[in-house]
Order: sequence, then C-alpha cells, then structure tokens
Amino acid sequence: DIVLTQSPGSLSLSPGERATLSCRASQSVRSTFFAWYQQKPGQAPRLLIYGVSNRATGIPDRFSGSGSGTDFTLTISRLEPEDFAVYYCQQYGDAPRTFGQGTKVEVK
Amino acid sequence: EVQLVESGGGLVQPGGSLRLSCAASGFTLNNYWMHWVRQSPGKGLLWVSRINSDGSSTSYADSVKDRFTISRDNAKNTLYLQMNSLGAEDTAVYYCARDYYDVLTGYSPGYYDYWGQGTLVTVSS
Repeated sequence: DIVLTQSPGSLSLSPGERATLSCRASQSVRSTFFAWYQQKPGQAPRLLIYGVSNRATGIPDRFSGSGSGTDFTLTISRLEPEDFAVYYCQQYGDAPRTFGQGTKVEVK
Repeated sequence: EVQLVESGGGLVQPGGSLRLSCAASGFTLNNYWMHWVRQSPGKGLLWVSRINSDGSSTSYADSVKDRFTISRDNAKNTLYLQMNSLGAEDTAVYYCARDYYDVLTGYSPGYYDYWGQGTLVTVSS
C-alpha cells in the first residue's frame, strides 16, 4: 500500500496568513491521481483539490495544489476564518486508495 | 442536490453484527461506483470497501475482508455494508462516498466528490 505522510501534524496560524501543507508518498503516485480534502469537526470530508491541482466546484482560488511523484503541497494563500480545519491528502492511483493522517490548521 | 445519508450505526457487542445503509438522492446511483470509508475516533480516514456500478465487482481492505460485505440496490438507490464479527478496532464513523463520474465521457478517475454525514459504530461490551 502507498503510505502518505503529512507534515506538519498541526499548524498554528492567524487569519490572513499563508498555509503550506505537505504530503509525501512512500512511492510515486501514478499520473496525477492525487486529491486533498478538508474536514471540519463533526462534518464529512469535503473535496478541495483533485488531479493534483484542480479545484473542486465551489472551492475558492486561495486554495491551490501542486506536486508530482512523491511530494505534494496544498497552499492556502490567505487563511479565512472558515479555513481552520483538518486537511487530508489522498492518492487514488493505486489500490487500495490511501489517505494521509491529516494536518490540523488551527488559530494562533 | 446530491445527498448521501447513512444509517444503521449504533452500539454492538464484540462479535456482533450490524448493517449500515446509505440512501442516495439527487442523482442516479446506478452510474456510480460507491465506497465506504471509516474514521476511528480522533484518527484519520481509512478506505473500507468499494462496489462497482452494477454490483458485480467488490473490493475490501485487508482488515475487513471476510467479515464485511458491501452491496447495493440500485432500484432503491441504496448502498449497504453488512458487518459481521465486529471487534473494538471497528469502532469508527462510517462514511459512504461517491466516486466522481463524468456522465458524458464515462471517465471516473477515483476521487470522492460527495460524502455522507457518517454513522457511528461503537463496538463495546
């Protein structure tokens, strides 16, 4: 199975600041089969980014994804109050699909 | 509006069984591959099982193989997960999730575009 390791485990930032979240895969992810999800307490995950860098419907352009091979990044250019949440990366190129353990973005 | 609503969770004793349901609305279920993903308390997400659009093909995580069975009734727009021989390690919120599918091209790369709100399964004596 492809293991995804997210860093940091948590990030303390203030609204308006830039957030950079990383996800490293234990082996190369096939093609661009990589996604990011946001999860708020008591809610289901929500798709943010698919295909490494494509924003899902309704996702604001302050969210961007990049990367290839084994290293991927989610960037939130300027944090809004509603962005404080846990973020998970996922690869869907190889079975089984696997997720990272999450990065919590919290208010400083 | 696409909606996925899980039900059937609850408290069950170790060794017991439970059947989860996921009612779909706002779209035609029989076009989509569907999945169950679980999240143990305070932990991350773990893929559990998937079923293809007509139910002829299924797949399971090693940790649940031979204990869980995924199925679907497209006429009822409902996905199921039968869970047997439950153990404490199965305690989690169980989500159903829909694979993205482009109805024009038939392309379905493998990310989840909609999730249900989840149903909590607690295995404890």
